[in-house]
Amino acid sequence: AQSVTQLDSQVPVFEEAPVELRCNYSSSVSVYLFWYVQYPNQGLQLLLKYLSGSTLVKGINGFEAEFNKSQTSFHLRKPSVHISDTAEYFCAVSASGNTGKLIFGQGTTLQVKP
Amino acid sequence: GAVVSQHPSRVICKSGTSVKIECRSLDFQATTMFWYRQFPKQSLMLMATSNEGSKATYEQGVEKDKFLINHASLTLSTLTVTSAHPEDSSFYICSAPRSGQGVDTQYFGPGTRLTVL
Repeated sequence: AQSVTQLDSQVPVFEEAPVELRCNYSSSVSVYLFWYVQYPNQGLQLLLKYLSGSTLVKGINGFEAEFNKSQTSFHLRKPSVHISDTAEYFCAVSASGNTGKLIFGQGTTLQVKP
Repeated sequence: GAVVSQHPSRVICKSGTSVKIECRSLDFQATTMFWYRQFPKQSLMLMATSNEGSKATYEQGVEKDKFLINHASLTLSTLTVTSAHPEDSSFYICSAPRSGQGVDTQYFGPGTRLTVL
């Protein structure tokens, strides 16, 4: 079985500052890793995913994440945030090769202040 | 891009009634769809996997007789909350991997907010 822990429930940050949203996972098998964003009253949108290969993954809206197998982490980063990045961010995992069931972390609220 | 829709977006019902929520893949076929529920300020919890042409697979702790799932076609899955009670109030979200694109690529619907009075 897999599990995901997002270490911060809320992350306040000023506009144009860098941000890191932390995610750790647990799994006895190899996994796929995902970051999704949920804007208020909207569905989830995929930011980026790691399936295999390069451990540094670049996504949409200037976000990137690094897969660290030894630390079982998949932290999300952005060098300079905008007000429009204010949203809920979810880290998710699925066992590689399975039917696509996603296990989500608890979510992190990113609050970008002017 | 691929689009998944849900209908209705919001529904309010009386305790004891049944509510049907539709999930449609608008421009692609989906042999599998997933249903999640999300409580306020909490994460998404997988409820069940909807399979076209066969029975749904429910996660542990989810009552299959209460949450009826029917995958009627390659573009439509429905979730019926039977005899709804206030504790069933939640945000229900569906997702669908695009057939042929790999199950790692999923598209999420905008969600349905159910309020049971």
